[in-house]
Amino acid sequence: SAVISQKPSRDICQRGTSLTIQCQVDSQVTMMFWYRQQPGQSLTLIATANQGSEATYESGFVIDKFPISRPNLTFSTLTVSNMSPEDSSIYLCSVEYARGYGYTFGSGTRLTVV
Amino acid sequence: AQKVTQAQTEISVVEKEDVTLDCVYETRDTTYYLFWYKQPPSGELVFLIRRNSFDEQNEISGRYSWNFQKSTSSFNFTITASQVVDSAVYFCALSVNQGGKLIFGQGTELSVKP
Repeated sequence: SAVISQKPSRDICQRGTSLTIQCQVDSQVTMMFWYRQQPGQSLTLIATANQGSEATYESGFVIDKFPISRPNLTFSTLTVSNMSPEDSSIYLCSVEYARGYGYTFGSGTRLTVV
Repeated sequence: AQKVTQAQTEISVVEKEDVTLDCVYETRDTTYYLFWYKQPPSGELVFLIRRNSFDEQNEISGRYSWNFQKSTSSFNFTITASQVVDSAVYFCALSVNQGGKLIFGQGTELSVKP
């Protein structure tokens, strides 16, 4: 099974700045997923990141706001750009941890924008 | 379109009571996968179970059991003899592609009181 190291675990940021979140997986995976969980809400997929190609964004999310990098099969970053208080959420990355079996999640990044 | 509904927003029980968390899903795909995750107050997502659409056998794991019924598009989760440590938010999720994105329900917050 895959193990994900996600960092930072939490941050408090000023509005108008950007934060980059990193996820490192201990094995090679084809797809990585980035989710957002707003306070008291469920998880919503932001985008799917494939190595070697541009990320695929879900409706309501755009690359300018949430640029994603996927330089290799074990690593990805999500940047939250030009932050506003509405971006205060938990951001989680996820991978399929065993083919056809299930998904594992990073421990999450708890972001507060002030 | 796919959808997962967890109609129970919050449930409160007293320790040792049995509790069932409901999950109803919608999809037109004949192949799909259903999941349950636990999110304790610390925020990480803990995988509990995966079930594919061709396997309607119920499953029991210790105090946990799952009832999958395709006829009613439901995948309910029962905790027997609940404990305070079971207090968490529980999410039901659906994926229609092996290795594809997860669609989450709104979650059920379970509070188990001593």
